[in-house]
Amino acid sequence: QAQMVQSGSEVKKPGSSVTLSCNVNGGLRNSQTIHWVRQAPGQGLEWMGRFIPVYRRSDYSHMFQGRVTFSADRSKTTAYMELASLRLDDTAVYYCASATYPGWNFGDFSFPFDDWGQGSLVIVSS
Amino acid sequence: DIQLTQSPSFLSASVGDRVTITCRASQGITTSLAWYQQSPGKAPKLLISAASTLQSGVPSRFRGSGSGTQFTLTISSLQPEDFATYYCQQLKSSPPLFGGGTRVDIK
Repeated sequence: QAQMVQSGSEVKKPGSSVTLSCNVNGGLRNSQTIHWVRQAPGQGLEWMGRFIPVYRRSDYSHMFQGRVTFSADRSKTTAYMELASLRLDDTAVYYCASATYPGWNFGDFSFPFDDWGQGSLVIVSS
Repeated sequence: DIQLTQSPSFLSASVGDRVTITCRASQGITTSLAWYQQSPGKAPKLLISAASTLQSGVPSRFRGSGSGTQFTLTISSLQPEDFATYYCQQLKSSPPLFGGGTRVDIK
């Protein structure tokens, strides 16, 4: 099981950017990916996309395409999510979550999110 | 995109009650469905994968069933720690969207 620890809360102005981190204790295995999910206050879970560290490739939700960038450090112990052009409705808790893909079959989405970070609160306010 | 509709969105129940939550997919997803539990102020926790596979450490009072477009999560005897919000998620294709959630409150 991957223990995932996220960075702390952020308060940002509309139009600015925020970068959140997700540290994976022991580092990510090549078969793992990092998904990012957000939850606005009192709302449900919204998938933002995923980062595949072994290929350094991202798949983004069309809802965030062009505004979000995923990355990871070269040691694959910390993943990052940058969200640009922040709006008031980007106020939410942002979670990282890991999924394991046996055989590195990343085209198959049938693997659930088995470990989650504790969440990072981002408040966008003028 | 494959949409998921959960029902009810809210239910009130007592300790010891049997609770059933339904998740309906907009198209067939075989058994590519997961269930998560989210307690207030906490991250979601994976309970069930592949529609009916209980994760290690999850109590046996949780049961998932279904295939195609209709799925259910059943809690056979509700315990105090089960009062939480439950989400289904389809894992048949991208994007792996979640249902709207079912909040289980104490009656």
